[in-house]
Order: sequence, then C-alpha cells, then structure tokens
Amino acid sequence: QKEVEQDPGPLSVPEGAIVSLNCTYSNSAFQYFMWYRQYSRKGPELLMYTYSSGNKEDGRFTAQVDKSSKYISLFIRDSQPSDSATYLCAMRAFMNQGGKLIFGQGTELSVKP
Amino acid sequence: NAGVTQTPKFRILKIGQSMTLQCTQDMNHNYMYWYRQDPGMGLKLIYYSVGAGITDKGEVPNGYNVSRSTTEDFPLRLELAAPSQTSVYFCASSEGLAGGLSYEQYFGPGTRLTVT
Repeated sequence: QKEVEQDPGPLSVPEGAIVSLNCTYSNSAFQYFMWYRQYSRKGPELLMYTYSSGNKEDGRFTAQVDKSSKYISLFIRDSQPSDSATYLCAMRAFMNQGGKLIFGQGTELSVKP
Repeated sequence: NAGVTQTPKFRILKIGQSMTLQCTQDMNHNYMYWYRQDPGMGLKLIYYSVGAGITDKGEVPNGYNVSRSTTEDFPLRLELAAPSQTSVYFCASSEGLAGGLSYEQYFGPGTRLTVT
C-alpha cells in the first residue's frame, strides 16, 4: 500500500464548478499537509498548508484535513480556466530529518470555459 | 532573487553516457532536494541535503550521485545513463529551520531528460 494515494484523474469541469480533490494516507505520524499546484512544464508551487486537523480557507480555495479518517481534501469554488493544472498533495511527519515530503501521484484538472 | 535555477532545461543522452544536472539557489536555504517526476507517479525523492557537506539517500537513489560543497549548489550526477532514467528532474530547497512553513519547498523549473 502506498503511503499517500491520490486519484490521478484527469478531471474535467466547466468554468464556475466546485472542484473537490482528495488524498488518503496510511501513516498516522503525518502532521503537516500541503497542496502544491503545478502548471504544465513548470515546477510545483505551494498553494495551501495545514497543520494537523481542521479547515483552512484562502480565497476560492479551502483545504480540509480529517486525521481520524486519514483523508485530506482541497476544494476550489467558482473554478476558472486559470486553475487548470496538476494538483499534488504532500505531507510529512512532525519529526522528520530533512523535512522530507511524501507526495501523492497528482490530479490533472482541466477547467473548460 | 532568482530562486531555484536548473540547467540544462532539456537533454538527450545515449545509453551509457554520463551527465550532471546543475541546481543553484540564492535564498540561503539549508535544505536541498532532488526529485524525479514520471507521468502519473508524483514526485519521488532521489537525494537530499541538510547542509554543505551533508547528503543522504531518498526513495530512489540508485544510478545517481550528489555532492554539496556549498550552500548554493546541489548538482545531481547520472552515471551510465539508462532508459529508466528518462524523466523530469526537479531540484527544490527549503529554509529548514525548526517547524512549520520553514520547511516549505521551493522548486526549480525542471530538467527534461531523455535517455535513448
């Protein structure tokens, strides 16, 4: 079983839709949860960052962490064509030499005008 | 700040050739990383470094070597290239202080390598 599982998609939605992206994980030591956005032929960029459980909102983006279910989500409201990218979840334990991250496979999202 | 820069952007190697992928960061970050990204497979850690002179293996180190003689530079060496090393390679860095967002990783633009 992989430590982090993410549906690779691709996911295609119309402009204005609500998008839900999800990851599950198996390591209960993970405490820090991140979502990276990667545009085509670019490096990933940090989009959202959450410590432990709960919700975090930033504009049209909401990150949720449910540690009891080992499940994290990223919601995008009023999706725009500029949101078309690959979204990677990443996570790490509190005590972790080198700050190493474990990444999901990435979900490719396309928002159609 | 240029952030994390990588050279070359693209490279085609023949089987058995060697090459070095260059990575430089100008943020005075302690930690640096090398990843490879294959289609639909996310990012796999090859090697990482917590400071000059200190390196350690990641998840997929076979066929690669690294060195870290300065804070800024973290080159990745491929010896005896094989088709299985065809991938996109990303270098990243993070501040690496205690806790929280100091571990945010900043990525370079990547190097697309094809081995034929």
